[in-house]
Amino acid sequence: TQLLEQSPQFLSIQEGENLTVYCNSSSVFSSLQWYRQEPGEGPVLLVTVVTGGEVKKLKRLTFQFGDARKDSSLHITAAQPGDTGLYLCAGGPQTSGSRLTFGEGTQLTVNP
Amino acid sequence: DTGVSQNPRHKITKRGQNVTFRCDPISEHNRLYWYRQTLGQGPEFLTYFQNEAQLEKSRLLSDRFSAERPKGSFSTLEIQRTEQGDSAMYLCASSTGLLTDTQYFGPGTRLTVL
Repeated sequence: TQLLEQSPQFLSIQEGENLTVYCNSSSVFSSLQWYRQEPGEGPVLLVTVVTGGEVKKLKRLTFQFGDARKDSSLHITAAQPGDTGLYLCAGGPQTSGSRLTFGEGTQLTVNP
Repeated sequence: DTGVSQNPRHKITKRGQNVTFRCDPISEHNRLYWYRQTLGQGPEFLTYFQNEAQLEKSRLLSDRFSAERPKGSFSTLEIQRTEQGDSAMYLCASSTGLLTDTQYFGPGTRLTVL
């Protein structure tokens, strides 16, 4: 069974601060997706990383996939209140298609 | 841009009643997935379809749950004899079926069983 552990589970910071969210597993994933979810809505895709060591940037967000494709991190620079939400990492299986394995999520609150 | 759509968005029902949810995937996506999410947790996989074929079912999908995708387009998820433990957000996602298989989610159906 593939499991993903996210940390921290909750994060409350002030506007302008930087933060990093971690997603770790003992299993290898074919890909790693990061989603953001707001209350009462479905997860919205932020990024997909597929290559070990890959780094992708999306404005103030930087995503990294570990060399061994077992872990990932999301770094947000100069957080804004609009970044508030539940951040979910999800690993794609080694075999083609099928289920995503989600972490429990990191609830981020950015206070003005 | 037509993303994944789900109906209804909210459903309140009494214990023991049957409910049915609908998902319309992105039109060119041949894979469709159902997940369930409870408060404070990440989504958990229920089942997925490749076109009209249901290829995998989770152990979470008890015999009270049934999903169909009769023409390989929209899908329905039915829960019979609902229980309070079925209260959750039911999410649908679709993808093209490539190895990286990025899944795009709908807004979800929030089910409350009284």
